[in-house]
Amino acid sequence: DARVTQTPRHKVTEMGQEVTMRCQPILGHNTVFWYRQTMMQGLELLAYFRNRAPLDDSGMPKDRFSAEMPDATLATLKIQPSEPRDSAVYFCASGLGPPNTQYFGPGTRLTVL
Amino acid sequence: GESVGLHLPTLSVQEGDNSIINCAYSNSASDYFIWYKQESGKGPQFIIDIRSNMDKRQGQRVTVLLNKTVKHLSLQIAATQPGDSAVYFCAENGPKTSYDKVIFGPGTSLSVIP
Repeated sequence: DARVTQTPRHKVTEMGQEVTMRCQPILGHNTVFWYRQTMMQGLELLAYFRNRAPLDDSGMPKDRFSAEMPDATLATLKIQPSEPRDSAVYFCASGLGPPNTQYFGPGTRLTVL
Repeated sequence: GESVGLHLPTLSVQEGDNSIINCAYSNSASDYFIWYKQESGKGPQFIIDIRSNMDKRQGQRVTVLLNKTVKHLSLQIAATQPGDSAVYFCAENGPKTSYDKVIFGPGTSLSVIP
């Protein structure tokens, strides 16, 4: 049963620290998405890649967030420096598209103190 | 305006009854729609999809109806079970020029009363 995996599942850190979240998309999927979910804003698209190339990162705060795909089996989302307002659940999703039916990972729950 | 947080619509149904969850979408040019289910502590899970050239599609215990005239989408769940309790999101894929842009609705919380 192919699944998107994300690590870590939970992360608690202090303001100013660097946070790196990792995602392994489903093998064979060509598109990877990063979302952030909060009670205030719901699901927000941060960035996405097709065939490892970044297509859109307009949803991401550029000064502190960065997303990369070092290879087809790994996507990373980095926050440096982290701030309390970054506290949220971060989801990675992968799909084969367009169009994209997106398969979500379990999420990384980030708490920045 | 300043956001005060999402107030999820809530639907409570008796176990065994049918559930209907509604969604209004924003873009008349959208041509692909998806319903997702999100259980507590988990990521959204694909349920069913429909393209704009259809007005109805059925899956196992679920049916999606699309009314393009009024930009409305609904998800019907037959014989609702306790395991159906979750937040349900509709999502629309933008027009073909921006097919990757999936816009998620705010969600509806379904609570099944045993």
